[in-house]
This record gives sequence, structure tokens and C-alpha cells, in this order.
Amino acid sequence: GQNIDQPTEMTATEGAIVQINCTYQTSGFNGLFWYQQHAGEAPTFLSYNVLDGLEEKGRFSSFLSRSKGYSYLLLKELQMKDSASYLCAVAGGSYIPTFGRGTSLIVHP
Amino acid sequence: ETGVTQSPTHLIKTRGQQVTLRCSSQSGHNTVSWYQQALGQGPQFIFQYYREEENGRGNFPPRFSGLQFPNYSSELNVNALELDDSALYLCASSFQGATNEKLFFGSGTQLSVL
Repeated sequence: GQNIDQPTEMTATEGAIVQINCTYQTSGFNGLFWYQQHAGEAPTFLSYNVLDGLEEKGRFSSFLSRSKGYSYLLLKELQMKDSASYLCAVAGGSYIPTFGRGTSLIVHP
Repeated sequence: ETGVTQSPTHLIKTRGQQVTLRCSSQSGHNTVSWYQQALGQGPQFIFQYYREEENGRGNFPPRFSGLQFPNYSSELNVNALELDDSALYLCASSFQGATNEKLFFGSGTQLSVL
């Protein structure tokens, strides 16, 4: 089985940087995903890590350490539209992602 | 980009009734996964279909069942509805065999059981 832990809520200021952490325990590992979900909308794909290290994509970066069972999503130059829930999901031996409960990010002006 | 459509968008049922939710996958995708998302929670995996066969199942009772059709569209059926079944039901399509099997989600069906 899998166990995924991420903070329930975070707040940040427009223009700032925020790091959302995710820790996991899994039997078998085939990648870690981050999804963004605005209220009332479908989750949308942000990033995928399967090897250790940092993946950068514009204002968003995602880091993975397989030995520590740890990932983070880094959001730079925060904008109001970044207010959303951020979901960490781990693909185990079955390749089917298991989602954490999500981190609700609130960006203040 | 999503291309995954679900119907209906909202549904109200009473306890004990049965419901069928529908999903059309994105063009080129051969796998459909269904998730249940309660308010304030992450999506919980129900089951996945690949080539019309169930390819994995989460911790949901047998009254949750599904189908996948030759055109890769899918249905989720829930019998004997309970109040706790009230949730957002998300369908996601993907291409099994891709290096990064990212999921493309539909907008979901909001089910309320009274």
C-alpha cells in the first residue's frame, strides 16, 4: 500500500516563493506526480519525477528524493491565480497513482 | 487539452437508488481510471479499465462496478447508494505504456445522495 502526507493548507503573498512538501511510503515506485486543482475544476498535470533531482518548468519546479521518500513543489513569483489545491500522487508497483489529500494554497495580495 | 468529457455534471439521488456515470476518454487514450473525491480530500482510486478489462481496483465495495467500451469510453455504476457516496466522481484517461502515464481528468460528476 501507499501512504502520502502533505500539509493541509498554506498561505503566501503574491510575488513570493512557496514550497509544498510531500512525503510518502510505497511498495514499488514508478514516479511521483503533482497536479493542480482549482475549486470546482478537474485536476491538471503539473510535473512528473521518477529520478532523483529537480525538474524545472517555468515558475514551477519539482524535486524528488527516492531514498528519503520526499518531494516538493516549488512555486516562484506567485500570482493570485495560483490559489488552488496541489495534489501529490505516487505511482507504485501497479503504475496507478495514489493521491494525497492535497494542500490548499491561498495567495494573498 | 483535456478532451475528457463526463456526464452528467450534477446528479441528485436518494439512498438505495442506482446511478450510472459516463465518461468519454481523450482521443488516442486506451485506459480509463475512476476516482472518488470527497470535499476537502484528494481523489481516491476506485478502479481502472484497460482494453475493456478491469486492470486494478481500490478499496471500494462490489456495488461499485464499471465498464469500458471498444471506443474506450467508460461507465461507473453504483448500486444501493449510501449517503457517504456523495462526492465528486472523476474520470481520467491515459495511454498505458507511455513513459509518463499522466492522467487527463474530466470535470467530474457531482453526486449528491439524500
